Parts: sequence; C-alpha cells; structure tokens
Amino acid sequence: EPEVTQTPSHQVTQMGQEVILRCVPISNHLYFYWYRQILGQKVEFLVSFYNNEISEKSEIFDDQFSVERPDGSNFTLKIRSTKLEDSAMYFCASSGQALPYNEQFFGPGTRLTVL
Amino acid sequence: GESVGLHLPTLSVQEGDNSIINCAYSNSASDYFIWYKQESGKGPQFIIDIRSNMDKRQGQRVTVLLNKTVKHLSLQIAATQPGDSAVYFCAENNQGGKLIFGQGTELSVKP
Repeated sequence: EPEVTQTPSHQVTQMGQEVILRCVPISNHLYFYWYRQILGQKVEFLVSFYNNEISEKSEIFDDQFSVERPDGSNFTLKIRSTKLEDSAMYFCASSGQALPYNEQFFGPGTRLTVL
Repeated sequence: GESVGLHLPTLSVQEGDNSIINCAYSNSASDYFIWYKQESGKGPQFIIDIRSNMDKRQGQRVTVLLNKTVKHLSLQIAATQPGDSAVYFCAENNQGGKLIFGQGTELSVKP
C-alpha cells in the first residue's frame, strides 16, 4: 500500500539554526500539505501546495517558513531560523485531488526539538 | 471564528463495549468531516468521513453521525478492541484545502 514517508524521524537543532524537513508524498498525488502538532495539542494546518505554488497558508506559516518541491518526488519544509516554540511534530500529507471529499494521507511525522 | 472541539479529552471503555466519541464544530459552512485515529508516535490515520449532505455513514465497525442542526459529529466504534486504543481527532473542511482539527479524545480500552 502506498504511503507518505518523512525524514528524519527526529531532528534536534539549536535555536537560530535552519532545518529542512523532508517528505516523499504518494507518487501520483498532486496536493501536498504540512501540519504541525505541539505536544499534547491538536494538529494545526501550516500550508498547502499545488502545481508548484502555495495554495493556502496559516498565520503560523510566517516568513521563517518555506516549502519546496525540488524534484518530482520530494516535498520539503524549511524553517530558516528556528525558535524554541517551533518544537513540535511536523506531519506531511498528500492528496490525489483537492478537498473537499478527498482523503489526505499523513506521513509518520518528524519530531523537531529546538534547544 | 472557526473551531472544532471535542467534549471529552479521555474515554475509557471495556473491551467488547461500544465507544462513542463526540465532536462539536462551529463553522456551519463546513461541508466535509473526517475522523482520524492517531496512535502513539504515528501520523493521523483516516477512519471514516462524511459529507454535509448526509447524517450517517457506516464503515467496518465504525459509524459517523452528523447533526448539522446542533453542529455535532460523533464516532461510534462497535465492539471496541485493544487495538482501538489511540487518540481520535475530528477534522472539518469548508471548501478549502486545509483540515481544521479538533483537540482529540484519548480512547483507552480495558481488557
């Protein structure tokens, strides 16, 4: 069964450092998403991406965040200068079609710890 | 503003009993709702969805009920098993690409 994969599973970084979180969506999917989940809290939308551009972004997704699809398979989330409050689980998701009515498949997540 | 919330943060049931997990939403424009299951250390896993033009949908051992009048969503799990232990999230979509998640209910199944 096809699945979304994410690397690394755990990333530890110093405050102010740049991090890149990587995702490989399901191969025939066209819509890509990043969400985050601070420990013990709900999953929060960050950004959606289609046709090589951002479709929608939340207030969380400020100038420190960027996304890219550098090749035909990877989808990345970059945080330029990490803050302590960026510590969270980051989930990538993909969908074959746009919502509504179409399932988003989630990856296992990357746990980001900012020290 | 938009919000999706859950009534109970934890639910403990006996193996074999039925479980009911509730969710309230505030955006009457939302037209698609999904229940996700999240096991420890994993990403959300799709369980079942329902469109706003329906009030009930059944899957394998799971049923989702939608009451648009009171903006309430519930997930019923029949014959709950230990493998059902997880955090359950409802999520809504209102014609956009993003999902808005509720706070989550932790289901614990006692053998």
